[in-house]
Amino acid sequence: DTAVSQTPKYLVTQMGNDKSIKCEQNLGHDTMYWYKQDSKKFLKIMFSYNNKELIINETVPNRFSPKSPDKAHLNLHINSLELGDSAVYFCASSQVDPDTQYFGPGTRLTVL
Amino acid sequence: KQEVTQIPAALSVPEGENLVLNCSFTDSAIYNLQWFRQDPGKGLTSLLLIQSSQREQTSGRLNASLDKSSGRSTLYIAASQPGDSATYLCAVPSPYKLSFGAGTTVTVRA
Repeated sequence: DTAVSQTPKYLVTQMGNDKSIKCEQNLGHDTMYWYKQDSKKFLKIMFSYNNKELIINETVPNRFSPKSPDKAHLNLHINSLELGDSAVYFCASSQVDPDTQYFGPGTRLTVL
Repeated sequence: KQEVTQIPAALSVPEGENLVLNCSFTDSAIYNLQWFRQDPGKGLTSLLLIQSSQREQTSGRLNASLDKSSGRSTLYIAASQPGDSATYLCAVPSPYKLSFGAGTTVTVRA
């Protein structure tokens, strides 16, 4: 069973479009995260949620809007996509913070 | 702000050699430190989590040491194998986020 899953795995789209990435964890964890890995492979936190509540928004443009409908899901919606949004986006979860974080397989977003 | 640095950026060794990967962090007030492995095009796999109260943590051929006062951790991989080829990342938590180093890309030559 996949612990943290993301869909889609690949996303290719045009500039200006709106897209969503879904994340689900079946570990029963309370905390979920979104990270961005840029072309230089550097991983950086975007958002953290605890019990469906936003805890951290790490100066992410407001074109990015996370939504947590329940503790097992944290989705990421991106409006008006830009070339610079091209990256790999990882979802992660942990039982409590700062416990071990478990990562999803990533979503590779390419904006043309 | 926590800054995490990993040296070297890349490492190539023949099979059987021991690997030594270094990680340093600027703020020594840490809860723990995690080591991850990332294979090309894949997600991150947690290898070891070493608590701030620990000096070492071991799992199979992997051993991680932690020296909080000097802001350093070292990951040792004994008797390397081609399957150990990957990027190794260390990460230090702040409340509700991990700060990552840029990683060390390891190639083990058969």
